[in-house]
Amino acid sequence: DVKVTQSSRYLVKRTGEKVFLECVQDMDHENMFWYRQDPGLGLRLIYFSYDVKMKEKGDIPEGYSVSREKKERFSLILESASTNQTSMYLCASSFGAGTSLNNEQFFGPGTRLTVL
Amino acid sequence: QQPVQSPQAVILREGEDAVINCSSSKALYSVHWYRQKHGEAPVFLMILLKGGEQKGHDKISASFNEKKQQSSLYLTASQLSYSGTYFCGTENNYGQNFVFGPGTRLSVLP
Repeated sequence: DVKVTQSSRYLVKRTGEKVFLECVQDMDHENMFWYRQDPGLGLRLIYFSYDVKMKEKGDIPEGYSVSREKKERFSLILESASTNQTSMYLCASSFGAGTSLNNEQFFGPGTRLTVL
Repeated sequence: QQPVQSPQAVILREGEDAVINCSSSKALYSVHWYRQKHGEAPVFLMILLKGGEQKGHDKISASFNEKKQQSSLYLTASQLSYSGTYFCGTENNYGQNFVFGPGTRLSVLP
């Protein structure tokens, strides 16, 4: 059974804190994605990675960075959390060589982050 | 650029049909459809590639009109289990810049 896991289901942080969200997939997928989901806005792409140590900005990368040191793990970092980063964060992975994004994405359960 | 989905929300009785539309201002290479049930992760339904094909998944099917830059998802004889938010995701002509739409909330009542 394919699996994408995220380190926490719920997280509460203070403004200015550094926040790490971890995502691990066990399907040997090349592509991994970080999205944030807000009511009425759907899923917005923050960053994606199509290979180890490779990363590409998505639609809303400001205030975020990512790290992919191993194929199975993709981390999202909030260098200095702000209240407008309170959201649901979803990680996904897909099979695909190069930068092909034209494949089914498998999603993790999400992390609901609240920044106070 | 984010695709537009319509309607934003729809309420059905069990057994009724529904259509959800997804349109883009840019030429499309592919359209993906996902369903997210409340409190769960989105789950893939189907991908439609350039070529105007129609696909089916149980009583859920979809069409892709590349000329009109739009796709429609058809839910036939809806079941309670169809409730959730449906997202389309679009990919432009170069196979990159995959973008999800804002979602359509579907509620099926007994």
